Amino acid sequence: QKEVEQNSGPLSVPEGAIASLNCTYSDRGSQSFFWYRQYSGKSPELIMFIYSNGDKEDGRFTAQLNKASQYVSLLIRDSQPSDSATYLCAVNNFFTSGTYKYIFGTGTRLKVLA
Amino acid sequence: DAGVIQSPRHEVTEMGQEVTLRCKPISGHNSLFWYRQTMMRGLELLIYFNNNVPIDDSGMPEDRFSAKMPNASFSTLKIQPSEPRDSAVYFCASGMVTQYFGPGTRLTVL
Repeated sequence: QKEVEQNSGPLSVPEGAIASLNCTYSDRGSQSFFWYRQYSGKSPELIMFIYSNGDKEDGRFTAQLNKASQYVSLLIRDSQPSDSATYLCAVNNFFTSGTYKYIFGTGTRLKVLA
Repeated sequence: DAGVIQSPRHEVTEMGQEVTLRCKPISGHNSLFWYRQTMMRGLELLIYFNNNVPIDDSGMPEDRFSAKMPNASFSTLKIQPSEPRDSAVYFCASGMVTQYFGPGTRLTVL
């Protein structure tokens, strides 16, 4: 089992619809969760992070975290063609030694159809 | 701030040659990460530094890979000798909890 799993897609949604991207993780001790967006040929850029169970909203983006189910999702409302990209889920774990483990999923490719 | 700077942006070399990738992190960031990205394996963490000290190099694929961070504003990733399977995009990122990625170096080993 991969430590961070995402469906590779592509996930196709019509313009204006809600895109729902999902991610599961295996380490129950994981503490912080991130969504990055990566356009083709570009580097990943941070969209949102979430630490606590529940929802966190930022503009058209909502991150949802359920630690009991080891599940984190990203909702994109009013999807635009410019949202077409690969979305990477990342999970972070801090240790008392001062080290941390940062693991990325392989990403879900989103296509928003005009 | 200029963001994370990487050089070169593209590198084409022949098998067996030494390759050195360079990174300048964002000023004030104490942590620096080196990643490799391929279609098959996605984004893999190779090594990270905290306050210029290598903390976890368990992701370095083999002894041909080495990384240094001589000061807070510069890091290198070296591959010697390079092999075709090393072809990938190599990213440097800085930050702590949230990471800021450089533009990457696309490495092609022929």
